[in-house]
Amino acid sequence: DQQVKQNSPSLSVQEGRISILNCDYTNSMFDYFLWYKKYPAEGPTFLISISSIKDKNEDGRFTVFLNKSAKHLSLHIVPSQPGDSAVYFCAAKDSSYKLIFGSGTRLLVRP
Amino acid sequence: KAGVTQTPRYLIKTRGQQVTLSCSPISGHRSVSWYQQTPGQGLQFLFEYFSETQRNKGNFPGRFSGRQFSNSRSEMNVSTLELGDSALYLCASSYPGTDSNQPQHFGDGTRLSIL
Repeated sequence: DQQVKQNSPSLSVQEGRISILNCDYTNSMFDYFLWYKKYPAEGPTFLISISSIKDKNEDGRFTVFLNKSAKHLSLHIVPSQPGDSAVYFCAAKDSSYKLIFGSGTRLLVRP
Repeated sequence: KAGVTQTPRYLIKTRGQQVTLSCSPISGHRSVSWYQQTPGQGLQFLFEYFSETQRNKGNFPGRFSGRQFSNSRSEMNVSTLELGDSALYLCASSYPGTDSNQPQHFGDGTRLSIL
């Protein structure tokens, strides 16, 4: 049973445009959500997180939105840059310390 | 500030052997978690340690074990290796504080191949 789902395995956008990556979850006990970026042969790099008491968190070009009623979160990257091309994972945790990861979305930013 | 360091980066073993992987967390971080990444199952939680105690465990067989030392460094051991254990093993550390909502920061992993 996948508790965290990323239904789009890939996404291609033009440089300078907005990239929107989506993530759905099923467990209403999740209280903290994170986005990671992963390049080949490297570990995941933390990008941005959001607590369940908020609906938006912004850090530079990255904004995460949380819709608890829909059990949905999204990551917006504006403007997208070719260096943003990577696999993006969303993750969630409940009161324990383990992260539950989605299957990832491969983002390609075209110059 | 140094990141999470995992050694070795690559390892080749044969079925039936056992292996130990090492992880040094970011200085000041006391929580260390281990994950397995495979193409079929994605990133899956193995276990988490804090102050030398295992606080959480994922759904892996007892062949997978770990420990944490007083300096927060952690090791993970897999015994009686099987072909399906071939994977990227990732370690992550976090600063616990009083708020469990702290991001985990990952090392670059150990790529384990079983022949």
